[in-house]
Amino acid sequence: DTEVTQTPKHLVMGMTNKKSLKCEQHMGHRAMYWYKQKAKKPPELMFVYSYEKLSINESVPSRFSPECPNSSLLNLHLHALQPEDSALYLCASSHKPDEKLFFGSGTQLSVL
Amino acid sequence: RKEVEQDPGPFNVPEGATVAFNCTYSNSASQSFFWYRQDCRKEPKLLMSVYSSGNEDGRFTAQLNRASQYISLLIRDSKLSDSATYLCVVNIPGTYKYIFGTGTRLKVLA
Repeated sequence: DTEVTQTPKHLVMGMTNKKSLKCEQHMGHRAMYWYKQKAKKPPELMFVYSYEKLSINESVPSRFSPECPNSSLLNLHLHALQPEDSALYLCASSHKPDEKLFFGSGTQLSVL
Repeated sequence: RKEVEQDPGPFNVPEGATVAFNCTYSNSASQSFFWYRQDCRKEPKLLMSVYSSGNEDGRFTAQLNRASQYISLLIRDSKLSDSATYLCVVNIPGTYKYIFGTGTRLKVLA
């Protein structure tokens, strides 16, 4: 099973809403990532969890809150987002540093 | 110099053509290089890892030139379905950070 599963595929939320994005992988990968991608731009790293511990936070605003409940799951909690946060949010995993990334299909988020 | 640089294109080529993309990188210590393909509003999908000796997968060939710090992707006998954005990705050694190029858009025309 070489899949990273993300839900939901699409999400529309207001600026006062709280929502969560979910990501799951069963490849035994020990690193999981959140990326944000705007149209016609490359993915930008937000967070990395390594062995279930937050190892990289790329100065992401606190309205984005990651959580790694176990080695297979990664969540991104969203609260009080702004319209400029509208983007494709991608989850990825890798076995270890330097190895290829496997991406989920992404959540297309619109903030109204 | 940007950490990873690609020509954004678009490259418009007829079906059956051969097309090549280059990607330059600035960190001479980098060891891991990848080409990803991304369709509009979809996730990046791994096309190929790039090895020192070069590697081939069907119509696709990837090369690494360490001396000049670039990697290349060659697509032979282009198909309509090859139309996509091709992302060059370079890992920062020993870290979980991957630097993405801006991508090269390819459009294969009938």
